[in-house]
Amino acid sequence: SQQGEEDPQALSIQEGENATMNCSYKTSINNLQWYRQNSGRGLVHLILIRSNEREKHSGRLRVTLDTSKKSSSLLITASRAADTASYFCATDGGGGSNYKLTFGKGTLLTVNP
Amino acid sequence: EPEVTQTPSHQVTQMGQEVILRCVPISNHLYFYWYRQILGQKVEFLVSFYNNEISEKSEIFDDQFSVERPDGSNFTLKIRSTKLEDSAMYFCASSPRLAGASEQFFGPGTRLTVL
Repeated sequence: SQQGEEDPQALSIQEGENATMNCSYKTSINNLQWYRQNSGRGLVHLILIRSNEREKHSGRLRVTLDTSKKSSSLLITASRAADTASYFCATDGGGGSNYKLTFGKGTLLTVNP
Repeated sequence: EPEVTQTPSHQVTQMGQEVILRCVPISNHLYFYWYRQILGQKVEFLVSFYNNEISEKSEIFDDQFSVERPDGSNFTLKIRSTKLEDSAMYFCASSPRLAGASEQFFGPGTRLTVL
């Protein structure tokens, strides 16, 4: 798999349920970030977790990072229809680069009312 | 809340024509980036810019591409002679510090269609 691969590719849940999305990466990182993209729109920054952190919370979002497994998860609790979007993880610092973000293909989350 | 803005939102051009995509990064940010997303594909890094010079560029960013910060607020991406495969959404981003230390904030994108 490539740097920043998310799974599942698509996830459909009912409003009120929790949604969990996973991301794996291959090279060492400084940080891992999660972004949301509504259809055809820009990228909205959700949360950043540093390589020395294991868990981070922001509102209904919970992100974990396991550097030994090179993986991260994004949990959205009590989902709402408005959470319907594509979610991407992005890593930086890999391959000696501190500048660029490497994105995964994303998980398309559909929250049904 | 400060945000990155981009103009135009949609640009249609003929193959071989030059296009300039414009961005206004967040005012106190120091690092600027361009990314692109071909329909249905990953967001791909093009170039990063700091202190009036390119910090890093990808293989995509060939001689047809250039970036400029002509004044204290604008950041532009120029494609000299567009190709069909340049059709994509182009995102500008900025961050206050190195990508290794802070978030990158993205603009809404410019959809470029090359006919």
